[in-house]
Amino acid sequence: GQQVMQIPQYQHVQEGEDFTTYCNSSTTLSNIQWYKQRPGGHPVFLIQLVKSGEVKKQKRLTFQFGEAKKNSALPITATQTTDVGTYFCAGPGTGANNLFFGTGTRLTVIP
Amino acid sequence: EADIYQTPRYLVIGTGKKITLECSQTMGHDKMYWYQQDPGMELHLIHYSYGVNSTEKGDLSSESTVSRIRTEHFPLTLESARPSHTSQYLCASMRGYEQYFGPGTRLTVT
Repeated sequence: GQQVMQIPQYQHVQEGEDFTTYCNSSTTLSNIQWYKQRPGGHPVFLIQLVKSGEVKKQKRLTFQFGEAKKNSALPITATQTTDVGTYFCAGPGTGANNLFFGTGTRLTVIP
Repeated sequence: EADIYQTPRYLVIGTGKKITLECSQTMGHDKMYWYQQDPGMELHLIHYSYGVNSTEKGDLSSESTVSRIRTEHFPLTLESARPSHTSQYLCASMRGYEQYFGPGTRLTVT
């Protein structure tokens, strides 16, 4: 079945350090999305990547889609306490308009 | 941002009770979803709907049922709650390719 794994599962960083979460799919993805869920909150859409090798930036966040469209990376530079939360990648699921969420990476930022 | 409402936000209920989790959205989105999420874990799709009178089961088998009689309303029902149903239930709607999530219902079955 479909598998979307993220590593690491947990990461603690000192404020100001860089951090990267990786998303790996067992199958080729037509697109990939990233969501952020703050502690106690709900997932919030961040971005969608569609093209092979695509890179998009949002301030300190850089979203990357692999050339083979089977993996994605989200590096965050100079982390801040506002970056705390769980980052999920999501690929197309069963059904034309469904998503299949990855296992998530929970980021803790130590002030 | 879309307005997605879920009630109740928290629910503690005894085994065997029937419960309905409410989800509504005011944006007229056709596509709506229910996810189950255990604390700190990934989201599992349990039901979805692409429009009125359209409902399908998701990737994770669930004993719950859903209905979609109105575009804005997508309730989820558990006929007989069990402790294994303890989890957070998230409702979402979709515009374009983006999913908008409600605040969730944290369900505890004792």
